[in-house]
Amino acid sequence: KQEVTQIPAALSVPEGENLVLNCSFTDSAIYNLQWFRQDPGKGLTSLLLIQSSQREQTSGRLNASLDKSSGRSTLYIAASQPGDSATYLCAVKDSGAGSYQLTFGKGTKLSVIP
Amino acid sequence: DARVTQTPRDKVTEMGQEVTMRCQPILGHNTVFWYRQTMMQGLELLAYFRNRAPLDDSGMPKDRFSAEMPDATLATLKIQPSEPRDSAVYFCASGLAEKTRDSNTGELFFGEGSRLTVL
Repeated sequence: KQEVTQIPAALSVPEGENLVLNCSFTDSAIYNLQWFRQDPGKGLTSLLLIQSSQREQTSGRLNASLDKSSGRSTLYIAASQPGDSATYLCAVKDSGAGSYQLTFGKGTKLSVIP
Repeated sequence: DARVTQTPRDKVTEMGQEVTMRCQPILGHNTVFWYRQTMMQGLELLAYFRNRAPLDDSGMPKDRFSAEMPDATLATLKIQPSEPRDSAVYFCASGLAEKTRDSNTGELFFGEGSRLTVL
């Protein structure tokens, strides 16, 4: 059974700092990995989707990398801003035939201090 | 701007009452998921529909929960009778499955959620 772990559970950084959020998964046979952002009381907003054949994806100040063999993904946020404060979740979709559901981590709560 | 729409946003009810949550998936999407989020458990899959057919509802307590898709624009999740332990945020998500594989190929899009409090 796939398990997804995000460490740390919470992170506080000063504004302007570059930071890395970590995600690890136990079964490397994945189809894709998706990073989401969740603001308090809101739904999940998709940030980046990495297919299993890709090594990284970039969107603005965000860069997500994927190392399937080691079961790891990182989300890099450059020049952090207070508006980046949110909970970030990663989710993996297994590659087995008929697989459809995402397995989520518990998230990393990020606070960017002005 | 296409988005998944959920109603109600907030619901407070008493134990034993029936609760129905509704979801309008993004037009053209053919997969719908219901998730429940709690502080302790995180996100848990309750049900999965593809082309309106329920393919997995193993995450739901069968005696009290039911999920349906009366048509392609509406998914419902019903709890009857509700219990305090059902208090959580319920999310609906939709996506587009590949034509050649029974799986999602791309992104999953979530609604804003329905916050349920059962007293």
